[in-house]
Parts: sequence; C-alpha cells; structure tokens
Amino acid sequence: GAVVSQHPSRVICKSGTSVKIECRSLDFQATTMFWYRQFPKKSLMLMATSNEGSKATYEQGVEKDKFLINHASLTLSTLTVTSAHPEDSSFYICSAEDRRNEKLFFGSGTQLSVL
Amino acid sequence: EDQVTQSPEALRLQEGESSSLNCSYTVSGLRGLFWYRQDPGKGPEFLFTLYSAGEEKEKERLKATLTKKESFLHITAPKPEDSATYLCAVGYAGGTSYGKLTFGQGTILTVHP
Repeated sequence: GAVVSQHPSRVICKSGTSVKIECRSLDFQATTMFWYRQFPKKSLMLMATSNEGSKATYEQGVEKDKFLINHASLTLSTLTVTSAHPEDSSFYICSAEDRRNEKLFFGSGTQLSVL
Repeated sequence: EDQVTQSPEALRLQEGESSSLNCSYTVSGLRGLFWYRQDPGKGPEFLFTLYSAGEEKEKERLKATLTKKESFLHITAPKPEDSATYLCAVGYAGGTSYGKLTFGQGTILTVHP
C-alpha cells in the first residue's frame, strides 16, 4: 500500500483563492520532504525541500511567498498555493525520504486547476 | 550543471518484444541513480536505486544496469500492463539529502497486445 499519502488528489478553485495540499508519510518519520511540480508530458521539477522544524529551502525561481511550505511534524508537510492564478495550474507531487533504507517515496499527486 | 537525458522519448512495443530504455547523466559526484514508473495522473512509483558502476538490479520483467555515464532499463517480454512513463533521476553526493533529485524527461512506453 501507499507509504506516502497526498490530499487532495484534485482541486478546482477560483483565481485569487488559496489552496492547501497535504503530504503525509504513513509508516516512517520523514525529516525531509520534497515538493515537485509537473507540467503535462514534462518531467518533475523540484520546487522546494521541506525540513521538519525549520524553514523550507526553495529552488531558484520559485516564489516562497506564493508557495508556502510548513513541515510541523515528522509525518506531515503542507504546501499552500496562495492567491492562486491560472498559471499555477499544474500537477503537484510530494515525496518523503525514508532514511532507514535511502528510499524516496512519492505521493499520488494533486492536480490543481485554477479558473 | 547536472543533467539527465532519457531516450527514446517514446517507445512502442508489441507484447513480448524486449527492449531497453536509456538514461544518460552528467553529475558532479553520483550518490544514486533512481528509476521510477509513473502512470497517468499518479505519482512516481519507486523501481530501483543503483549506486555504483557495474551494479544491476532486477524486478520481474525489469532489469536496471549502471555505468559511469548511463543507465539502462531492460524490459524483457513486456506486457500491456508495463505501459507507463519511466523516469530516471539522479541524486548527487555532497548534498544534505539524497532525495533532492534531478529528473530526466521520461520515456513513454506503450506495449500493444
């Protein structure tokens, strides 16, 4: 079964609203989680690294005030897309690092559509 | 600059027709090379991690190999259910976390019955 749970799987919102996406590691503690963005028929682009108990590290070109990341516990990281606009529409995927076996597990993704 | 290039972009096979997918990489210190399978509208599913040249790993009809410059994903006697996008990614040494991966663009595999 899935070891990383991501919710919601799909969300449609109006322009200007904020959307929160949750990523949970189910049977291991993840001090580090990652958020990726994927455009249709394109590969995954890393947006930010989420570290439990500290600020997230954003990749170049990613607006940290637009994409708020919170990693308040060892099993939960959230990505909030603030004041969403149509250009934010994309497939967002989280991943969690299981350091017991150096495996990286991905959530099932969230398809965000901003109208 | 770290780069991962996958080829071909798309591959169509008949059921039972074996083939290979290629992943070429340029990275300043390889920590691990990862293969994932991704179905439409889903997150990537972990297949293999390879750490050093010469290493091989197998899982059912899939076999992954690694050299100093590239990795191959061999598919033996594929079935229609093997149809998916196969992603290759590299993690680089020196980072604080191996999970910060650079992905290739993927190979879309279609297996016809």
